[in-house]
Amino acid sequence: QAVVTQEPSLTVSPGGTVTLTCASSTGPFTDNDWAYWFQQKPGQAPTTLIYDTTKKQSWTPARFSGSILGDKAALTLSGAQPEDEADYYCLVPYRGVFWMFGGGTKLTVL
Amino acid sequence: QVQLQESGPGLVKPSETLSLTCIVSGDSLTDHHWSWIRQPPGQGLEWVGYSSYRESTNYNPSLKSRVTVSLDTSRNQFYLKLTSVSPSDTAVYYCARSGSGSGMRWGQGILVTVSS
Repeated sequence: QAVVTQEPSLTVSPGGTVTLTCASSTGPFTDNDWAYWFQQKPGQAPTTLIYDTTKKQSWTPARFSGSILGDKAALTLSGAQPEDEADYYCLVPYRGVFWMFGGGTKLTVL
Repeated sequence: QVQLQESGPGLVKPSETLSLTCIVSGDSLTDHHWSWIRQPPGQGLEWVGYSSYRESTNYNPSLKSRVTVSLDTSRNQFYLKLTSVSPSDTAVYYCARSGSGSGMRWGQGILVTVSS
């Protein structure tokens, strides 16, 4: 079974920029793949920030963006706010029809 | 806009079957993928499976022998059945809608505890 790797934890200063990445053991992430990014705060259900690698939901703050960085999917937060402190998960496909979540990144804004 | 609400028992005995319902409003089950995702306490998210009216049904290979996801378009609900549960199946179970270029919408989740 595939393994999807995210940074376990990252810290960003208020107003700063940070990039979270998502790498699959099945191979490099390309334009033919898709990725979702989710934000989850304690005690809450996840909310979707990014889908189809780069597209934003209507409620996604403009400071979040999705991209491909090298051979990984990436989520960039530009101008971090205290309310962005949360867990972030990526979701990618493997073998065409199966889905796999990354282990999550705990983002601290400090 | 679409809303999803999970329902079902909060406590299931070991070796029994976990059965959950996701009630969908504001959208039709004939479009999109309809998924179940779970999260054990203090852990990350795990994909359980999805079903699509127009395409296929697929399951997490690690759960495939025990899981069934099915759609009822007449009731606008979809279901999860997980057989032979053990305490390791204790988790918050989420239903979700995705696909057709609309991103993913989540239900609020339901905690299911497996214990005698």
